[in-house]
Amino acid sequence: AQSVTQLDSQVPVFEEAPVELRCNYSSSVSVYLFWYVQYPNQGLQLLLKYLSGSTLVKGINGFEAEFNKSQTSFHLRKPSVHISDTAEYFCAVRAGQAGTALIFGKGTTLSVSS
Amino acid sequence: GAGVSQSPSNKVTEKGKDVELRCDPISGHTALYWYRQSLGQGLEFLIYFQGNSAPDKSGLPSDRFSAERTGGSVSTLTIQRTQQEDSAVYLCASSSRYNEQFFGPGTRLTVL
Repeated sequence: AQSVTQLDSQVPVFEEAPVELRCNYSSSVSVYLFWYVQYPNQGLQLLLKYLSGSTLVKGINGFEAEFNKSQTSFHLRKPSVHISDTAEYFCAVRAGQAGTALIFGKGTTLSVSS
Repeated sequence: GAGVSQSPSNKVTEKGKDVELRCDPISGHTALYWYRQSLGQGLEFLIYFQGNSAPDKSGLPSDRFSAERTGGSVSTLTIQRTQQEDSAVYLCASSSRYNEQFFGPGTRLTVL
């Protein structure tokens, strides 16, 4: 069975500071990894995804993530955050065949203050 | 349409009533998913439809929950005899084969 652990439930940072949101997964098969963002009272929006190839993936809004197979991690990073990045971030894994359901972590609330 | 749409956006019902939640996926997407987002439980998979294959119902929490997908497009999630613990945001997503899932805005269900 697959599972996702987001190690921090809340991450407070100041504007223009760097941030890392941590995600670890467990799976016995090859995985596809995703980060989604949910702004207040909105649906989920895909930030970035890892399917294959380069382990460093770049997404929207200046975010990037690195797939580390040996550490089973897929941490999300941004070098300089903005107030508008305040949202909840979800790491998700899809194992095996394309089209199977996503398994989500519990989410990390990123709070950016000035 | 441009994205996944869901209706209603909000639904308030009394305990014991049945509710129907609707999802319109992105045109041409063969896969459709229902998830539930609730406090303390995060995002939980409920059910998955892929083309004409039998749906994967492994995430449905009880037999009060059911879903259908008509004509390979619109889907309806039905909750019978609602309970207070059913209160949550119900999210629908669709995807084309081998691609990421696109989510709708959700239906917030409140059971009084």
